Amino acid sequence: GAVVSQHPSWVICKSGTSVKIECRSLDFQATTMFWYRQFPKQSLMLMATSNEGSKATYEQGVEKDKFLINHASLTLSTLTVTSAHPEDSSFYICSARDSIKETGNTEAFFGQGTRLTVV
Amino acid sequence: GQNIDQPTEMTATEGAIVQINCTYQTSGFNGLFWYQQHAGEAPTFLSYNVLDGLEEKGRFSSFLSRSKGYSYLLLKELQMKDSASYLCAVPFNDYKLSFGAGTTVTVRA
Repeated sequence: GAVVSQHPSWVICKSGTSVKIECRSLDFQATTMFWYRQFPKQSLMLMATSNEGSKATYEQGVEKDKFLINHASLTLSTLTVTSAHPEDSSFYICSARDSIKETGNTEAFFGQGTRLTVV
Repeated sequence: GQNIDQPTEMTATEGAIVQINCTYQTSGFNGLFWYQQHAGEAPTFLSYNVLDGLEEKGRFSSFLSRSKGYSYLLLKELQMKDSASYLCAVPFNDYKLSFGAGTTVTVRA
């Protein structure tokens, strides 16, 4: 299957600093990528949809000024958690769909996830 | 919106069979996914059902009934490595995924 690479796998940062997470589709192009967040023992919750060349669309309750998303190319989306606080500590996961196969519902490929801990 | 329900936990012994049920309510049906997620890792794709019936893929099978808003994932010949969380998910609006809370399956020797 297709590969989505997410970096870093884990990061520890101080409260008030910003953290950037990268999501790359390695062997396919993705006009759309998705960012999810997962708290311990809970399911994945969609945060936002990253659209190549345009603004991201955020789900209700997600602060767009806090979670900055940039999708500058067909293979890269970044999520920046600005002014991170301990309550932002979570598992962040990206997913991408193959643009060529966007007609019809094909599986989304997930990155490895990033464990963010804010101290 | 989407409403997805699945049991929180299930326990079974090695070699046994376990069935994980998922009921859903969604406006506009575009299929149903099952994912496996080991602790601390990202989900991995198991199956996608869009038509009614059973689809078998090795030790794992997935069933769908659209009229009942119901699906199940069947795990046969359980192995210790099958201990994981199993997520039921339905797509909505531009292929976003709405996930159930997940069912944690514990396989005992």
